[in-house]
Amino acid sequence: ETGVTQTPRHLVMGMTNKKSLKCEQHLGHNAMYWYKQSAKKPLELMFVYSLEERVENNSVPSRFSPECPNSSHLFLHLHTLQPEDSALYLCASSPEGGSGTFHEQYFGPGTRLTVT
Amino acid sequence: GQNIDQPTEMTATEGAIVQINCTYQTSGFNGLFWYQQHAGEAPTFLSYNVLDGLEEKGRFSSFLSRSKGYSYLLLKELQMKDSASYLCAAQTGANNLFFGTGTRLTVIP
Repeated sequence: ETGVTQTPRHLVMGMTNKKSLKCEQHLGHNAMYWYKQSAKKPLELMFVYSLEERVENNSVPSRFSPECPNSSHLFLHLHTLQPEDSALYLCASSPEGGSGTFHEQYFGPGTRLTVT
Repeated sequence: GQNIDQPTEMTATEGAIVQINCTYQTSGFNGLFWYQQHAGEAPTFLSYNVLDGLEEKGRFSSFLSRSKGYSYLLLKELQMKDSASYLCAAQTGANNLFFGTGTRLTVIP
């Protein structure tokens, strides 16, 4: 247990569905992250929130929409996804999104998403 | 462009020593992370190097050469539970970690 929880752990959705992934951290951290992990590909950073403000958006398609209502919760809203979006979606948190300093990221167990 | 190279797979024997290499080319570099990820689980932090040299932490050590864009993770006295993927990641900005594809290590009896 890393102190970061994600729900659901598994999700199967059709291309026309709308669903949301939830992440919650119990570590008192100020920065939260969404990553995508596809088979045989590196972890890809999607979004970063620091103090509830989005600070990174790495050219992610608009069918992925993040939301950070407070420093403990992070959502990823999904709509009209494509089969190639099937992957493991990992949430992470760190003490703060500080500049150039070392902040270990703590990862949740991920949501395995399958788009049919 | 950004690139991190590490071997896709490695196999080593229980009790032995294994070295997992990582080379990186990134625009901006603050430090180098190593994470361990068991199948179906979250990545967990192993080490962080910001200065050149070796950082030792129990059975695991990590080395960095900034001038060569090179790092390695050294695992000693291998145990079966060390079978996992090992992810090399360069910190390229305030909030940005750029990951390699990971090295899947299999420890055999």
